Amino acid sequence: GEEVAQTPKHLVRGEGQKAKLYCAPIKGHSYVFWYQQVLKNEFKFLISFQNENVFDETGMPKERFSAKCLPNSPCSLEIQATKLEDSAVYFCASSQWNVGEDQPQHFGDGTRLSIL
Amino acid sequence: LAKTTQPISMDSYEGQEVNITCSHNNIATNDYITWYQQFPSQGPRFIIQGYKTKVTNEVASLFIPADRKSSTLSLPRVSLSDTAVYYCLVPMDSSYKLIFGSGTRLLVRP
Repeated sequence: GEEVAQTPKHLVRGEGQKAKLYCAPIKGHSYVFWYQQVLKNEFKFLISFQNENVFDETGMPKERFSAKCLPNSPCSLEIQATKLEDSAVYFCASSQWNVGEDQPQHFGDGTRLSIL
Repeated sequence: LAKTTQPISMDSYEGQEVNITCSHNNIATNDYITWYQQFPSQGPRFIIQGYKTKVTNEVASLFIPADRKSSTLSLPRVSLSDTAVYYCLVPMDSSYKLIFGSGTRLLVRP
């Protein structure tokens, strides 16, 4: 498609439950990025993929967060045993090439995760 | 570590030109500067990107001085619908990870 599609728009989970977020990148884009936006508009980089391969996962809390980008499927971000601090808006972005090569990242409208 | 600094907020009136300046003192030689706009409950939307001098598209202009340590986003004749948060971004240490600062909250008044 022509837009990055994220589902669901809003996800509510009780503390300790699992949460799974989905992202369909723009068709033809090779790179997918996940960001977490918390209070005060602060964004935190989580992980990036080049096609189905993890490119950089240095921002991921390794214990509970995992992500995949499988061929012919939406990318996913999964949080096990959610905590209150995981409440945030999670944005997915895609681009044709890496940043710095004149190809900007295009963002979806995010999934708002609320942990109760 | 590349970092951007922008004013936290700006006020303007409909029809005025708005200039938002961002400083990025540690930008690397090959890094591009990108500006995004974000409305509530939406993802950041790409506005403009540049490397040096001046870039103009249908919605904005981007001015980058020779030393590239700052850049200015210029919005001509703003309207109420331009009320949003504007982010200036540079890659993190010449990698592909974008650093989002706190952004500039622009309020356009009638």
